[in-house]
Amino acid sequence: AQSVTQLDSHVSVSEGTPVLLRCNYSSSYSPSLFWYVQHPNKGLQLLLKYTSAATLVKGINGFEAEFKKSETSFHLTKPSAHMSDAAEYFCVVSDSRRGYKLIFGSGTRLLVRP
Amino acid sequence: GAGVSQSPSNKVTEKGKDVELRCDPISGHTALYWYRQRLGQGLEFLIYFQGNSAPDKSGLPSDRFSAERTGESVSTLTIQRTQQEDSAVYLCASSSPGSNQPQHFGDGTRLSIL
Repeated sequence: AQSVTQLDSHVSVSEGTPVLLRCNYSSSYSPSLFWYVQHPNKGLQLLLKYTSAATLVKGINGFEAEFKKSETSFHLTKPSAHMSDAAEYFCVVSDSRRGYKLIFGSGTRLLVRP
Repeated sequence: GAGVSQSPSNKVTEKGKDVELRCDPISGHTALYWYRQRLGQGLEFLIYFQGNSAPDKSGLPSDRFSAERTGESVSTLTIQRTQQEDSAVYLCASSSPGSNQPQHFGDGTRLSIL
């Protein structure tokens, strides 16, 4: 069965410094992977998705993620954090048999210090 | 254009009461999903509708939960005889047809059972 593990429940960075949110996945096939962001009391917004094309995926708001099959990782990065990046981030994998079914990690809360 | 709309945004009710949550998908999106998000956790898949096909109800946690959708329009999620463990944010999403289409989320309904 597919699963994702987000290695940090909280990450705190200073504004202007790099962001790294870690995600490892478990899948017996070539997965589709996503990162979603959730701001307080809001729904989720898709940041980026990987679907077996380029391994380095660029998303919105300056975020990108790299698919590393050998490490079963899909970490999310951004060169310079902005205060507006403070939110909850979810790493997501799609179910192998039912691609519409998304399996969510437990989330990483990103705090950005001024 | 208009996004996914959910109502009510907040619902407080007494244990044992029935509740009905509503979702208006993005126009033209044939796929519709319901998720549950408990406090501090990721999303749990509940149910998936695709056009006029039989829905995938595999995520519904008990027979107290049901959902309906007429055609490609509004969906309602009903919880009968609510329990305190039903307290959560219920999120609806919709997407275009096809595998791995991005899901667009509403802001959710925050349900509190007293």
